[in-house]
Amino acid sequence: ILNVEQSPQSLHVQEGDSTNFTCSFPSSNFYALHWYRWETAKSPEALFVMTLNGDEKKKGRISATLNTKEGYSYLYIKGSQPEDSATYLCAFPGGATNKLIFGTGTLLAVQP
Amino acid sequence: NAGVTQTPKFRILKIGQSMTLQCAQDMNHNYMYWYRQDPGMGLKLIYYSVGAGITDKGEVPNGYNVSRSTTEDFPLRLELAAPSQTSVYFCASMALSSYNSPLHFGNGTRLTVT
Repeated sequence: ILNVEQSPQSLHVQEGDSTNFTCSFPSSNFYALHWYRWETAKSPEALFVMTLNGDEKKKGRISATLNTKEGYSYLYIKGSQPEDSATYLCAFPGGATNKLIFGTGTLLAVQP
Repeated sequence: NAGVTQTPKFRILKIGQSMTLQCAQDMNHNYMYWYRQDPGMGLKLIYYSVGAGITDKGEVPNGYNVSRSTTEDFPLRLELAAPSQTSVYFCASMALSSYNSPLHFGNGTRLTVT
């Protein structure tokens, strides 16, 4: 059974705080890791597709790093804003390279 | 550019009824997926397809069936609806492979089984 774990489960921060959360995945036979942002009552939207160990990707105030040898990825948000409030999901191929399995997500709430 | 289109948006079913959730994409993507949103559990993969005529089970396939007769369409069939199938269902597509392409999601179908 593939185990894709995300922590923390939820996070409450103040506007302007920087924050980060973790996605853990099996380190053997790594293929790719995806990050998605999911606002309430909307559909998930892709943030990053990461494939190389040491990879670092950035989109505005959001960035992500990847460590395939130890099996984790960090998502960072610099200077959180209320509009960053969402669930952040990572997805990992489970058993087949295109069978994308999601973690349980980290729910971020940014208080103004 | 419509992207991934799901119909209906909402549906209420009685226990034991059947229905088909429709999903169509106009991006010529090879890969298509069905997920359900379980509270506190994120998204669970029901079925996926790597191309027309090819489908495979995901994490929670029991109680569902799929078919992929064309590249564009990937319907999800519930044969005997049960309260446990009350959920929001998302269809998604992907262009090339998970190595270099993200998932593109539809707007979801909210299903209630009573």
